[in-house]
Amino acid sequence: GQQLNQSPQSMFIQEGEDVSMNCTSSSIFNTWLWYKQDPGEGPVLLIALYKAGELTSNGRLTAQFGITRKDSFLNISASIPSDVGIYFCAGRGAAGTASKLTFGTGTRLQVTL
Amino acid sequence: DTAVSQTPKYLVTQMGNDKSIKCEQNLGHDTMYWYKQDSKKFLKIMFSYNNKELIINETVPNRFSPKSPDKAHLNLHINSLELGDSAVYFCASSYQGANEQFFGPGTRLTVL
Repeated sequence: GQQLNQSPQSMFIQEGEDVSMNCTSSSIFNTWLWYKQDPGEGPVLLIALYKAGELTSNGRLTAQFGITRKDSFLNISASIPSDVGIYFCAGRGAAGTASKLTFGTGTRLQVTL
Repeated sequence: DTAVSQTPKYLVTQMGNDKSIKCEQNLGHDTMYWYKQDSKKFLKIMFSYNNKELIINETVPNRFSPKSPDKAHLNLHINSLELGDSAVYFCASSYQGANEQFFGPGTRLTVL
């Protein structure tokens, strides 16, 4: 089946640094999503992207839908301790109730003070 | 509070037992999902129901049987539990299969 690979797998950064992570697919997706999972909780949607080349921001987070439709990128500026968690990309093919989300392998972010 | 809730939060049981996990959402959504997250944090969909009708059924052993008594509830029954079933199971819901899926807090299942 489809697989989404995220890199890096994990990262340690200092508070205040900018963070970049990406997600690549072997297949084309029509929608790209970025979720964050805090320890002991379920994932929460951060950003949704609907068009190739689209760049969307949500506060300190910026995500891009790759031109090839096979990748997406997430940047976090000026990281803070509450940014700690696992970031998942997710791709979706056609719209509709029968269309499932395929999640990436996750990027674990840890912030040092 | 409006949310997706799951019970129990933790479930420890012996191999071979049968167990159920319950999920309820009060967000007014019509689509609900079960996901399995393994020890490497890989999140994979198992089932999806829309208006009580099964619409996504991934390659899951038939020991797993979902049931949706109404739009607000989706339960998961697992027969003859195996060691490999140990994982965190997440319930989620959305409106008409929308991209934003709201996840519950998860049920950590440990099979001994």
